[in-house]
Amino acid sequence: DSGVTQTPKHLITATGQRVTLRCSPRSGDLSVYWYQQSLDQGLQFLIQYYNGEERAKGNILERFSAQQFPDLHSELNLSSLELGDSALYFCASSVGSDGRTEAFFGQGTRLTVV
Amino acid sequence: LAKTTQPISMDSYEGQEVNITCSHNNIATNDYITWYQQFPSQGPRFIIQGYKTKVTNEVASLFIPADRKSSTLSLPRVSLSDTAVYYCLVHSSYKLIFGSGTRLLVRP
Repeated sequence: DSGVTQTPKHLITATGQRVTLRCSPRSGDLSVYWYQQSLDQGLQFLIQYYNGEERAKGNILERFSAQQFPDLHSELNLSSLELGDSALYFCASSVGSDGRTEAFFGQGTRLTVV
Repeated sequence: LAKTTQPISMDSYEGQEVNITCSHNNIATNDYITWYQQFPSQGPRFIIQGYKTKVTNEVASLFIPADRKSSTLSLPRVSLSDTAVYYCLVHSSYKLIFGSGTRLLVRP
């Protein structure tokens, strides 16, 4: 158990819909990272927050947005869903903001768009 | 960001030592090298991190030559449970960018 909690574990929704994925970081960790992993593909970095502020952005679509709340949990919002958005979405957390500290990953949310 | 190159796949047998080399010719002065392991449908797990020379922990060793243009992850006496994808990351900033990784298959 990494200490990072992601909910829900599984999500099935229809095209065009909007969903929210939630991540609770490890206690004391200020950074949250979001990744997308499609079937048999690598991990695509989406976005990183540190202590409530966006720190780095990767290949995140305009239909996707995220935020980190004062209690440090984070949410990833995916809207106008397409079949190609079906993937595992991972959240990771770390103490520091520059990636030099160990990042702990959650078990992921498996999103299926039908 | 420094680009990393790793073998796509490797095969080994139980009990052998496995060395996975990662090339990162454009590594910057402030960059660190970190390796992660990922099992199917699970989040990656941190293995080891280093800046230069050699780092060892309870599961692996990381060898970094003086020019830092490559690094080698060494897994001693692998078991079937070490079958996984291994990622080499080179980073100094906020972005933890994962490459394609090396798919290691350990055979009985």
